[in-house]
Amino acid sequence: SQTIHQWPATLVQPVGSPLSLECTVEGTSNPNLYWYRQAAGRGLQLLFYSVGIGQISSEVPQNLSASRPQDRQFILSSKKLLLSDSGFYLCAWSSVIGINQPQHFGDGTRLSIL
Amino acid sequence: SQQGEEDPQALSIQEGENATMNCSYKTSINNLQWYRQNSGRGLVHLILIRSNEREKHSGRLRVTLDTSKKSSSLLITASRAADTASYFCATALGNSGNTPLVFGKGTRLSVIA
Repeated sequence: SQTIHQWPATLVQPVGSPLSLECTVEGTSNPNLYWYRQAAGRGLQLLFYSVGIGQISSEVPQNLSASRPQDRQFILSSKKLLLSDSGFYLCAWSSVIGINQPQHFGDGTRLSIL
Repeated sequence: SQQGEEDPQALSIQEGENATMNCSYKTSINNLQWYRQNSGRGLVHLILIRSNEREKHSGRLRVTLDTSKKSSSLLITASRAADTASYFCATALGNSGNTPLVFGKGTRLSVIA
């Protein structure tokens, strides 16, 4: 069966520090991969999605970036964090087979910027 | 841009009662999906209804879709305290399997034992 791993679960970082969040998927090949951010009590904001290795689409211009160095690995990065980067970050995957397949989410990373 | 909006924002009911949540969207869709999120966790897919379907059931869940009104509803029957969570609708545009879903802001459901 397919599983998605996201770490760390919580992270506290000072303003201006770098960031690297990692997400890996097991049990499937060539998945679509997604990064979302969720503000407290709010809906999901799509940040990046990827349909293949090295292919990244950015939905929101900001100081975050994403990379997909391997088929089932998706990394969210920042060189310098801002206070506004605080939030709950979720990684998800979906199958490319069929149309608009359901997305499967990791358990998220709660990021607090001090 | 395409967006799903849930209504109400928050709902509090007694255990055993039915809970109904609504979702409205703006443009034509390929399908509409409902997700559940427990506090501090990731979202879990509940049910997908295609644009050519009008109603779908899964256990205690019933989803309807009215494409003429661009709306959907999620009904949870005989609610339990464990149903307490946020519920989101998500819409998919186009015919590409790579089209990102657009999520609404969610309905927070509280089921009181």
